[in-house]
Amino acid sequence: KNEVEQSPQNLTAQEGEFITINCSYSVGISALHWLQQHPGGGIVSLFMLSSGKKKHGRLIATINIQEKHSSLHITASHPRDSAVYICAVRSVQGAQKLVFGQGTRLTINP
Amino acid sequence: DTGVSQNPRHKITKRGQNVTFRCDPISEHNRLYWYRQTLGQGPEFLTYFQNEAQLEKSRLLSDRFSAERPKGSFSTLEIQRTEQGDSAMYLCASSPTLRLAGGWETQYFGPGTRLLVL
Repeated sequence: KNEVEQSPQNLTAQEGEFITINCSYSVGISALHWLQQHPGGGIVSLFMLSSGKKKHGRLIATINIQEKHSSLHITASHPRDSAVYICAVRSVQGAQKLVFGQGTRLTINP
Repeated sequence: DTGVSQNPRHKITKRGQNVTFRCDPISEHNRLYWYRQTLGQGPEFLTYFQNEAQLEKSRLLSDRFSAERPKGSFSTLEIQRTEQGDSAMYLCASSPTLRLAGGWETQYFGPGTRLLVL
């Protein structure tokens, strides 16, 4: 079992829909990251979390440390949101490296 | 452009050949990371430098892999005697040592080098 599990692996929705991507992890962490990867490989950091909730534009990230679970929400989704969304954790044990989930491929149709 | 750059962006090689990739981190970022990403999977950690010191290596990094950061600036990742299983995207990231509020730092990723071993 991977240390970081994401669901769903693939998600297709219509423009305007509310999107939720989930991430569960099994190790103690010092931080959790949500990343966005577009075709071609470039990765952009969206959020870093250690507790609570963060919002940036139409993106909202939440984390529940006790349940070892985080969610990424996209409100009023748009075709340009289509990308792979990756959850990554910085474990307490390996403080400098990130451990990644397998990613969720999101496709928003117009 | 002041982001992380990687060269080449694409590399096709024959099995058994050696390849070398270069990563130029954001200026003054002390930490540099190499990750490998295979199709449909998330990235996997390979190794990490603080300045010129290689402080951590994954068990994924076999004897055929070597990484250097001789002057604490750019880094190279060499794969000797490439195998078809080495085909992947090789990602580099850098981060500063100064911790941001909250106690950790953001890693800034390069565009990656996509390797295909025939």
